Amino acid sequence: GAGVSQSPSNKVTEKGKDVELRCDPISGHTALYWYRQSLGQGLEFLIYFQGNSAPDKSGLPSDRFSAERTGGSVSTLTIQRTQQEDSAVYLCASSLAGLAVDTQYFGPGTRLTVL
Amino acid sequence: GNSVTQMEGPVTLSEEAFLTINCTYTATGYPSLFWYVQYPGEGLQLLLKATKADDKGSNKGFEATYRKETTSFHLEKGSVQVSDSAVYFCALSESGNTGNQFYFGTGTSLTVIP
Repeated sequence: GAGVSQSPSNKVTEKGKDVELRCDPISGHTALYWYRQSLGQGLEFLIYFQGNSAPDKSGLPSDRFSAERTGGSVSTLTIQRTQQEDSAVYLCASSLAGLAVDTQYFGPGTRLTVL
Repeated sequence: GNSVTQMEGPVTLSEEAFLTINCTYTATGYPSLFWYVQYPGEGLQLLLKATKADDKGSNKGFEATYRKETTSFHLEKGSVQVSDSAVYFCALSESGNTGNQFYFGTGTSLTVIP
């Protein structure tokens, strides 16, 4: 079956512009995660959606970052007024039920470059 | 708080050498432990996992044992191949009041040379 997909695969933007990154999770997966992977760094947790519950936003680095998940499926991560330090690979993952034991399935990522 | 610490790379080995990548963790309860792998040009994928103490996860010749007494989950393989060249991430997941979060290590890059 189809895996997690993300779009665009690459995004180059100018400092100060807003960007939207999209994630399509695996059908039927109730949990969805966003991470940021910077050069030489591990994966930094950003936000977590589980079913219809309020999302866990504890990892968002600033109020310029926001995310939504419509209809319990597709998610959009929005970065407003982008800064050069936002340049990274943004990864989305989904899991079946969001349990601690569940495997996460990752998308290919969106590489964001802020000039 | 929860965290994962794994050995820094890069690691370069000759084919058929023995591999160990160390991983230790800090957790407040009883986490599940994972190794994810990222092959060149591909997304992260699960390599193996263990969900309780003394469990051994294994896959593709790799194995790791969940050691609660040493809070470790070291990755080992007896004989590496060139195709094992990738970045390996240790991770933990633990249930909390707001759901589950994953905590990843910084990754260890492995290059296997023929």
